[in-house]
Amino acid sequence: GESVGLHLPTLSVQEGDNSIINCAYSNSASDYFIWYKQESGKGPQFIIDIRSNMDKRQGQRVTVLLNKTVKHLSLQIAATQPGDSAVYFCAGGGGATNKLIFGTGTLLAVQP
Amino acid sequence: DVKVTQSSRYLVKRTGEKVFLECVQDMDHENMFWYRQDPGLGLRLIYFSYDVKMKEKGDIPEGYSVSREKKERFSLILESASTNQTSMYLCASSLGSPGQGTLRAYEQYFGPGTRLTVT
Repeated sequence: GESVGLHLPTLSVQEGDNSIINCAYSNSASDYFIWYKQESGKGPQFIIDIRSNMDKRQGQRVTVLLNKTVKHLSLQIAATQPGDSAVYFCAGGGGATNKLIFGTGTLLAVQP
Repeated sequence: DVKVTQSSRYLVKRTGEKVFLECVQDMDHENMFWYRQDPGLGLRLIYFSYDVKMKEKGDIPEGYSVSREKKERFSLILESASTNQTSMYLCASSLGSPGQGTLRAYEQYFGPGTRLTVT
């Protein structure tokens, strides 16, 4: 069945370093991929998206890369800050419905 | 800003009780979703709705039902709560029609969640 999974459940980085969170997906029909950030005690919040016809998209301190050949996307966070500590989810959507399929999440822990 | 609110942050219920979880969004979104979130399993879709009085089963609908009488409100009902329904429940909404193929249709806005414990 369809799945969106992550390579690592936990990522620990030093403050100021760059972070890379990876995600693999199985559904080639996905039109959009979205990264969400979930802080403790809160619901997921939209960070950045990328359409399937793109391979890179940049936001403020974040970049998402999409490699359709190997069905892999990544979220890069530049100069990671303590406020970036959260669980990050990737999600894919496409086809006749507006459903998203979520990955299991990666916990990013930023060490001061 | 889109605001999605959920009726309770924390809820404790007994096995066999009927449980209602309420979700309200204030941005006139057509689509509303209910997920449960469990460690290591991510977000799993229980039910969703594209319009008033309309509902579709998600990936894990067993033991749950939903109601959407008004566009802004989507209720999740546990007919007879069981301990394996102890979880974090998240409501979300998005704008757009099914198959619209736009980012707005996929970009879901989430509520803060309800942590339900069934004893």
